[in-house]
Amino acid sequence: ETGVTQTPRHLVMGMTNKKSLKCEQHLGHNAMYWYKQSAKKPLELMFVYNFKEQTENNSVPSRFSPECPNSSHLFLHLHTLQPEDSALYLCASSQVFDRTYEQYFGPGTRLTVT
Amino acid sequence: KQEVTQIPAALSVPEGENLVLNCSFTDSAIYNLQWFRQDPGKGLTSLLLIQSSQREQTSGRLNASLDKSSGRSTLYIAASQPGDSATYLCAVRPPAWGGSYIPTFGRGTSLIVHP
Repeated sequence: ETGVTQTPRHLVMGMTNKKSLKCEQHLGHNAMYWYKQSAKKPLELMFVYNFKEQTENNSVPSRFSPECPNSSHLFLHLHTLQPEDSALYLCASSQVFDRTYEQYFGPGTRLTVT
Repeated sequence: KQEVTQIPAALSVPEGENLVLNCSFTDSAIYNLQWFRQDPGKGLTSLLLIQSSQREQTSGRLNASLDKSSGRSTLYIAASQPGDSATYLCAVRPPAWGGSYIPTFGRGTSLIVHP
């Protein structure tokens, strides 16, 4: 595997379910991000982790719970979601002290909440 | 707060045309600007990144320019092809001394190139 991978690619869940999204980066980066992309809206930053420590929480509801066990893996735990949470969830990584801070994105998980 | 606007929101052109996509930003104090391509339902693929000290970057048929003082960037696509059909997003990154390097994204320009 190369780059940034995300699983599952598609997820349908009911409002009472609990599920998790997984992201893994194979680039040796030390920062990882969760973004939400809804139709017709700009990308919304959700969380940022640097060296496994959360550094940004963009006022995300508590029904979204991130976890970063190491610099290569990032999870987003989901519970009691709402239909408006249906979106494409994108993971990205970057090198914090890289001159460009360039981000590399995964393919996304298409989430549908029924 | 930085705001990024992309015009037009959608564009449909015949194959072979040369295109210009626009990105404007309200705060000219930026670290760099990055152009991405996104295919439907997929993640973002980086196309070009321009540091604030640079004026332009080129990759194949793509050329991105940056005029930091006026808060504008353009992405020029030469001899467009149907395979160029996608949404193009620009993202502006704040200065490193600001304590945050999190980029602000525009809403994107949805491009369709028809044969």
